[in-house]
Amino acid sequence: NAGVTQTPKFRILKIGQSMTLQCTQDMNHNYMYWYRQDPGMGLKLIYYSVGAGITDKGEVPNGYNVSRSTTEDFPLRLELAAPSQTSVYFCASSYSTLGTYEQYFGPGTRLTVT
Amino acid sequence: GQNIDQPTEMTATEGAIVQINCTYQTSGFNGLFWYQQHAGEAPTFLSYNVLDGLEEKGRFSSFLSRSKGYSYLLLKELQMKDSASYLCAVRDGNQAGTALIFGKGTTLSVSS
Repeated sequence: NAGVTQTPKFRILKIGQSMTLQCTQDMNHNYMYWYRQDPGMGLKLIYYSVGAGITDKGEVPNGYNVSRSTTEDFPLRLELAAPSQTSVYFCASSYSTLGTYEQYFGPGTRLTVT
Repeated sequence: GQNIDQPTEMTATEGAIVQINCTYQTSGFNGLFWYQQHAGEAPTFLSYNVLDGLEEKGRFSSFLSRSKGYSYLLLKELQMKDSASYLCAVRDGNQAGTALIFGKGTTLSVSS
């Protein structure tokens, strides 16, 4: 299993540009998450999904959109990029939200908006 | 509100024991996780506690007291490779999707 994969690894955007961060998992997990991590800060939840076709906002959703058309894929869309969106973005997935089932994280996408 | 506190930085020497504390205040509680994150890498799972007490896993142990809103991660026989950030995260069972609420992390530096 590849686990959780993310592309691209690095990206530089100009203010106002748009892009999609890709996330794929091959563990057949229903639950998927997008977090952002700013220097010296904890991970903040952007959006999450409890299954294909179902998504909902997390703590910091403004400026982002998601879709979940398949169990495997959970892309994150940035519209009209702003410098405040400079961050490291992590996608994660889990089998369950109960018990010892932890979240598995992808390697991250490092985004700079200038 | 939701709040998770951890020390920002800690230092220790090889072979020593270090305890990283975490206190939390969340609207719900459905388990506490510890993750390790090396610089420039993704977080990886270390331990999970949902009942009071100590969970031991090799050189790593984690303790939970739900009544005090307190946990610690104990690392024994420290090695240089343990230099990393350690993230405390609470699963808030009151939230749909039950995502994790993370602390800011504790950066541990291990020296020889």
